[in-house]
Amino acid sequence: GAGVSQTPSNKVTEKGKYVELRCDPISGHTALYWYRQSLGQGPEFLIYFQGTGAADDSGLPNDRFFAVRPEGSVSTLKIQRTERGDSAVYLCASRRSPGHNEQFFGPGTRLTVL
Amino acid sequence: GENVEQHPSTLSVQEGDSAVIKCTYSDSASNYFPWYKQELGKRPQLIIDIRSNVGEKKDQRIAVTLNKTAKHFSLHITETQPEDSAVYFCAASSERRALTFGSGTRLQVQP
Repeated sequence: GAGVSQTPSNKVTEKGKYVELRCDPISGHTALYWYRQSLGQGPEFLIYFQGTGAADDSGLPNDRFFAVRPEGSVSTLKIQRTERGDSAVYLCASRRSPGHNEQFFGPGTRLTVL
Repeated sequence: GENVEQHPSTLSVQEGDSAVIKCTYSDSASNYFPWYKQELGKRPQLIIDIRSNVGEKKDQRIAVTLNKTAKHFSLHITETQPEDSAVYFCAASSERRALTFGSGTRLQVQP
């Protein structure tokens, strides 16, 4: 079946602008994670959804970052007043259910803030 | 929270040799330890994982060992091939939690 998809694949924006990044998890996967990967580093956790609710948002760096998953499937990561330091690849991953460990990653969205 | 350290940061081997990458973790509650391979510009792909009730797991040329007492785990790749060249990440998590990743190892297999 189809894997995790993310749109857009690339996003270039200006400092101060608002951006939305979308993640479509694997159908039927109840858990969804957002990570951020800077160049040369491992992915860093941002937020985790179990169903529609954010089970853990401890990785969000500040209140400019927000994410939703209103119907328990597609998720949107929203970044307000973007800063140059927000430039990174934003990865989404989904997991089937609490009894399954494997996380499947999407291709990522490369965000560049000029 | 969890902290995962990974080394070496770069590793160059000759084709056919073995490669070993090591990670340590800090949270004794962690019980799931996956390894991901990431090629340039691509998504991380799971290559092998191990749970804390198992000490070793093997899948063809790839094996992972876990020492829960010492809180370290290792990836072993035997008979390396040029297509094994990539960045490898270890990670750790406890039940239902997000993964904490190591900083990555860039493996270069020289033909």
